[in-house]
Amino acid sequence: AQRVTQPEKLLSVFKGAPVELKCNYSYSGSPELFWYVQYSRQRLQLLLRHISRESIKGFTADLNKGETSFHLKKPFAQEEDSAMYYCALSGDNQGGKLIFGQGTELSVKP
Amino acid sequence: NAGVTQTPKFRVLKTGQSMTLLCAQDMNHEYMYWYRQDPGMGLRLIHYSVGEGTTAKGEVPDGYNVSRLKKQNFLLGLESAAPSQTSVYFCASSRAQDTGELFFGEGSRLTVL
Repeated sequence: AQRVTQPEKLLSVFKGAPVELKCNYSYSGSPELFWYVQYSRQRLQLLLRHISRESIKGFTADLNKGETSFHLKKPFAQEEDSAMYYCALSGDNQGGKLIFGQGTELSVKP
Repeated sequence: NAGVTQTPKFRVLKTGQSMTLLCAQDMNHEYMYWYRQDPGMGLRLIHYSVGEGTTAKGEVPDGYNVSRLKKQNFLLGLESAAPSQTSVYFCASSRAQDTGELFFGEGSRLTVL
């Protein structure tokens, strides 16, 4: 069965500290992994996807198939990074359905 | 260019009442989705549609019905609301060629007493 697990409900760091939001998945085929972000009073939006292999707002994420993980990282957190982050998975032949994790609230303190 | 618009944004219902949430998108997207968001559960897919006139069940479809009579609209209905359906409902749409990028509405907060 497909599953996305984000073990941390809340992650609190100080400004300038490194941050890593964990995401583990369960899927037998070749998944596509995504990170979505919801800032306060804004819509949920795509942050990045593993196939792009790009850095968005200083965030990167590497797909580790051996560990079935897709952790989101940023070397120096900023206060404006405070938001709710969701990891999501799309499986092959899934007809466009995304499976979301439970979400991690990131709080960056000054 | 409004993107994805949901109405209403807030609603309070009594157990047993019925209601319909409307989702409209102006991006000519083929795919549309209804998710519910609950604390500690993340977003769970209720129903989705891959095109006008089509609908399919998601992860948690029970108690809900949907219709996609027009490409730009996706309706979510609750025939007999239950307290367990208290949630925030999100509509989203995507292009068929890129179903990884969902465009979300602002959400509709529903409370069932």
